[in-house]
Amino acid sequence: NAGVTQTPKFQVLKTGQSMTLQCAQDMNHEYMSWYRQDPGMGLRLIHYSVGAGITDQGEVPNGYNVSRSTTEDFPLRLLSAAPSQTSVYFCASSYSWGIGEKLFFGSGTQLSVL
Amino acid sequence: LAKTTQPISMDSYEGQEVNITCSHNNIATNDYITWYQQFPSQGPRFIIQGYKTKVTNEVASLFIPADRKSSTLSLPRVSLSDTAVYYCLVGLTSGTYKYIFGTGTRLKVLA
Repeated sequence: NAGVTQTPKFQVLKTGQSMTLQCAQDMNHEYMSWYRQDPGMGLRLIHYSVGAGITDQGEVPNGYNVSRSTTEDFPLRLLSAAPSQTSVYFCASSYSWGIGEKLFFGSGTQLSVL
Repeated sequence: LAKTTQPISMDSYEGQEVNITCSHNNIATNDYITWYQQFPSQGPRFIIQGYKTKVTNEVASLFIPADRKSSTLSLPRVSLSDTAVYYCLVGLTSGTYKYIFGTGTRLKVLA
């Protein structure tokens, strides 16, 4: 199994450009989420999904959109990139949510906005 | 807000046992305590999980007192390769489906 796959691994954008960070999992997990991690900092939740068609906001949702049309995929969209969105982005998934669940993380996308 | 509090950083020497404590005063009855390890430039990975008393696996031990308001991750005889950030996560934020991480503990193992 590939687990959680994120693409691309690196991306450089200019201010105002848009792009989509891809996240796919092959474990039939219902729960998927996006985190950002700034240098030397912890993980901050951007958006999450508890199943296809169901998404909600995390701690820092501004400037990001998500959708979940399939169980496998959970893309993160930056509509108009800003330098403040320079960060490393991690996608995570779990079979369900709540009692005893474990999160599986992708390897991350390093994004620089100039 | 995160449900957990950990020391920001710790230093240790190779071969020593390292104990990292996490405080979670508002843990819910059904919450499990899960620890993740994150190496530089990688995503976090699960290392151990427990509900009460003691859990041990090939990587670490997890000690949880009876009141469950704290937990201690124990790494036996650390090596340089154990240098990482360790996160303690306790269930979902109350009334939500959000897993909110705290700051984590940055462990540096010295030769």
